[in-house]
Amino acid sequence: GQSLEQPSEVTAVEGAIVQINCTYQTSGFYGLSWYQQHDGGAPTFLSYNALDGLEETGRFSSFLSRSDSYGYLLLQELQMKDSASYFCAVRDHGNDMRFGAGTRLTVKP
Amino acid sequence: NAGVTQTPKFRILKIGQSMTLQCTQDMNHNYMYWYRQDPGMGLKLIYYSVGAGITDKGEVPNGYNVSRSTTEDFPLRLELAAPSQTSVYFCASRPGQGSGYGYTFGSGTRLTVV
Repeated sequence: GQSLEQPSEVTAVEGAIVQINCTYQTSGFYGLSWYQQHDGGAPTFLSYNALDGLEETGRFSSFLSRSDSYGYLLLQELQMKDSASYFCAVRDHGNDMRFGAGTRLTVKP
Repeated sequence: NAGVTQTPKFRILKIGQSMTLQCTQDMNHNYMYWYRQDPGMGLKLIYYSVGAGITDKGEVPNGYNVSRSTTEDFPLRLELAAPSQTSVYFCASRPGQGSGYGYTFGSGTRLTVV
C-alpha cells in the first residue's frame, strides 16, 4: 500500500533543535520534499531530497534514507516564527507530489 | 513578478451552484496543480497539468474539471457544488523536468458550500 506518516504535533522551546520525522510507503520513489505552512497561509517550499544524505539550508536541514523509506526535517536555533505546520511530500510518480497530514510545531519561549 | 495568483480569495456557494477558481502564474512554469486542503489535514491533489493542452486526474478529481489552454492559466471548475467541497483550494506550479521540484503555491481560495 501507500502511506506517508509524520507526527501530528511537536513542541519545543526557543533556541532548541527539533527533528520532524517522515516515513513513507510507495510503489515508486523519486524524492522527498518538505513544506512549511503558517496558519491561514500557503505552503512554502523548504527542501527536496532525491538522494540519500543530509542537505543543509541555513537553520533547516533535511535528511533522506531511501533504504529505510525515511526522512526528517531538522530545525536548529528555533525561533518563535518557526511555529507552523510542516508537511513532508513524496514524489512517487514522475509528475506530482503526495502530501502527508502535517506536523504542527509549537515553539515556546 | 507576482508568482501564482488565485482568485477569488473567499467564496460562499449554495448547493448546486457552479463556479470557476482562477489560477495564473507568470513564471513560465510548465507544471501546474490544484490541491484541496481540509481543516487540519494535508493537501490532496485534484488535477494537474504538465503543459498547455495536457491535464490529468489526481487523487480526488470527482466533482471538478480543469482546462489548460495557455501556459499561464489553469482554472478549476466546480459543477453542482456540494458541502463536501467546502475546503481551501491551492493552485501550485513548478518548472519542468530537471528544473527543480519545489512548488510555488498561490495564496488559496477559501470555499464554503452551504
